[in-house]
Amino acid sequence: DTGVSQDPRHKITKRGQNVTFRCDPISEHNRLYWYRQTLGQGPEFLTYFQNEAQLEKSRLLSDRFSAERPKGSFSTLEIQRTEQGDSAMYLCASSGQGVSYNEQFFGPGTRLTVL
Amino acid sequence: AQSVAQPEDQVNVAEGNPLTVKCTYSVSGNPYLFWYVQYPNRGLQFLLKYITGDNLVKGSYGFEAEFNKSQTSFHLKKPSALVSDSALYFCAVRDRIQAGTALIFGKGTTLSVSS
Repeated sequence: DTGVSQDPRHKITKRGQNVTFRCDPISEHNRLYWYRQTLGQGPEFLTYFQNEAQLEKSRLLSDRFSAERPKGSFSTLEIQRTEQGDSAMYLCASSGQGVSYNEQFFGPGTRLTVL
Repeated sequence: AQSVAQPEDQVNVAEGNPLTVKCTYSVSGNPYLFWYVQYPNRGLQFLLKYITGDNLVKGSYGFEAEFNKSQTSFHLKKPSALVSDSALYFCAVRDRIQAGTALIFGKGTTLSVSS
């Protein structure tokens, strides 16, 4: 079990540019979540996948944000036309089936800085 | 609406003393409750959860938490603090009725254990 991995760990971009982040969940987990964490706050939910289906999206996920999980394995989160307010840590989490699905395992996060 | 409150931004305790990190919650139904810990430059690590059953839940690294339904609280405790326990702690809740949905996190409490 290698845990949840995220790439890149850090991203610095200029306002208006597009960025894409990748998350690889724990291999047997069918549920995948994206959260955003800003300084001094707890993680805030963005979106949730069960297998390849995107089942829930937060109001925080504006039209500039899109997430995919094409084969039910890894997921990508794209932010178009980045704004300074998008600067945050983007966390990915995954969970399994049955009793274990209550517990979400988090990756190390991707820290985005928009200049 | 679901919410979590962590009333203390910071808790200071001397090594060897007991510690308590407070958490209260609000959900429409019965809750699933969680504690996570975050070390600098690392993702959130799961500590413990309350799903059902015994109100006293034991978790990783000697931590435990007590579910109190009447007070809607889920305080994190440890009988004897270690300097290595110094970190950022998050309480989280999920409404049991809504399977698979996101965790709602508190703002976090910084625990500082002095030697």
